Amino acid sequence: DAKTTQPPSMDCAEGRAANLPCNHSTISGNEYVYWYRQIHSQGPQYIIHGLKNNETNEMASLIITEDRKSSTLILPHATLRDTAVYYCIATYNNNDMRFGAGTRLTVKP
Amino acid sequence: NAGVTQTPKFQVLKTGQSMTLQCAQDMNHEYMSWYRQDPGMGLRLIHYSVGAGITDQGEVPNGYNVSRSTTEDFPLRLLSAAPSQTSVYFCASTPGGYEQYFGPGTRLTVT
Repeated sequence: DAKTTQPPSMDCAEGRAANLPCNHSTISGNEYVYWYRQIHSQGPQYIIHGLKNNETNEMASLIITEDRKSSTLILPHATLRDTAVYYCIATYNNNDMRFGAGTRLTVKP
Repeated sequence: NAGVTQTPKFQVLKTGQSMTLQCAQDMNHEYMSWYRQDPGMGLRLIHYSVGAGITDQGEVPNGYNVSRSTTEDFPLRLLSAAPSQTSVYFCASTPGGYEQYFGPGTRLTVT
């Protein structure tokens, strides 16, 4: 798995977009970028994944740079319930996820 | 569907005791995994299984055994508990696609 680097914490105002960066400069061609989040001490929740193209689903958007060395997870209208730790993972093996420390996002009213 | 279930939710063991953490899923997923999460840290993979009868080691397998006799169940056995195994344990399953489904976790304390 490629090593990923994320800021340890970020704040966001409720209703604004939350942009969470991730650096994965050593990513290889067959490695996907996955994002999960963990609310309180619950089990992690899948958000989105991508390989090369930008992706969007009902939860978030994933923007991957053209050289694939970094990506940004976008929560378009953050709510208080989006307060969580967000994990960025780069891997070719979905069954062997290596979670780092993640980014603790705090959404403030 | 109940999804991924784990029992017990909480457990306290004495050093040297053994126990089994249970994990079950009712989604007919082939792939199942066990992770541990220490305070303030991300999850680390202990063991995983790609189907009944097939298991493999993850990042931190020492002190743990697994078996997969059915598609539904993937128990994790602690052979001789140590304080270093105090952690929160998560089980996950996936149909082989991209999304892993995690259970609610078991909080284990070894004294």
